[in-house]
Amino acid sequence: AQKVTQAQTEISVVEKEDVTLDCVYETRDTTYYLFWYKQPPSGELVFLIRRNSFDEQNEISGRYSWNFQKSTSSFNFTITASQVVDSAVYFCALSEARTGANNLFFGTGTRLTVIP
Amino acid sequence: ETGVTQTPRHLVMGMTNKKSLKCEQHLGHNAMYWYKQSAKKPLELMFVYNFKEQTENNSVPSRFSPECPNSSHLFLHLHTLQPEDSALYLCASGVGTGGSPTGANVLTFGAGSRLTVL
Repeated sequence: AQKVTQAQTEISVVEKEDVTLDCVYETRDTTYYLFWYKQPPSGELVFLIRRNSFDEQNEISGRYSWNFQKSTSSFNFTITASQVVDSAVYFCALSEARTGANNLFFGTGTRLTVIP
Repeated sequence: ETGVTQTPRHLVMGMTNKKSLKCEQHLGHNAMYWYKQSAKKPLELMFVYNFKEQTENNSVPSRFSPECPNSSHLFLHLHTLQPEDSALYLCASGVGTGGSPTGANVLTFGAGSRLTVL
């Protein structure tokens, strides 16, 4: 079975603070893909990043960074110097190459509120 | 504009009504998806179409009926819905393959159709 857990339901931070959104996943497949999507108030999910299971290198993109650790089955997302525009619901998701060709398993999301 | 357009954005219907949700993409994608987003639940995959063929039906009740006339358009026909079907219905598209879409598929989502069933 596949499962994605985002234990933090809601987080509030003050602007310019750093914030880390946690994601823990479960899979039996050796080849899988992890994603983060952002859902702003407008509703559409916006793709942020995809990593495959063979690439554990951390990634930084501007104020965003991702920490992928297979040993703990985690794929955490950090926003540095948060801004009000970062306020959104963030989803972590998993798909498997073996069975997940058509299926992206999402976590329940973390609602981030950045207070000015 | 995300590239995936959903209409209507909001829909209120009674349990005996028949209505349809529409999704359109002009990204050249060949895979299209319907997801259901309910409060405090993970997004649930409902249907997948790859090159107009349905490749996934995730045990969705028959009161939801998808239609994919071509790779750019996807519909969700609604009939005799229940109040618990009230949710945000999200359409997405992705690059299809000759077989099934791969697990690496990055999806582009629409803004959703907010459905309320009275």
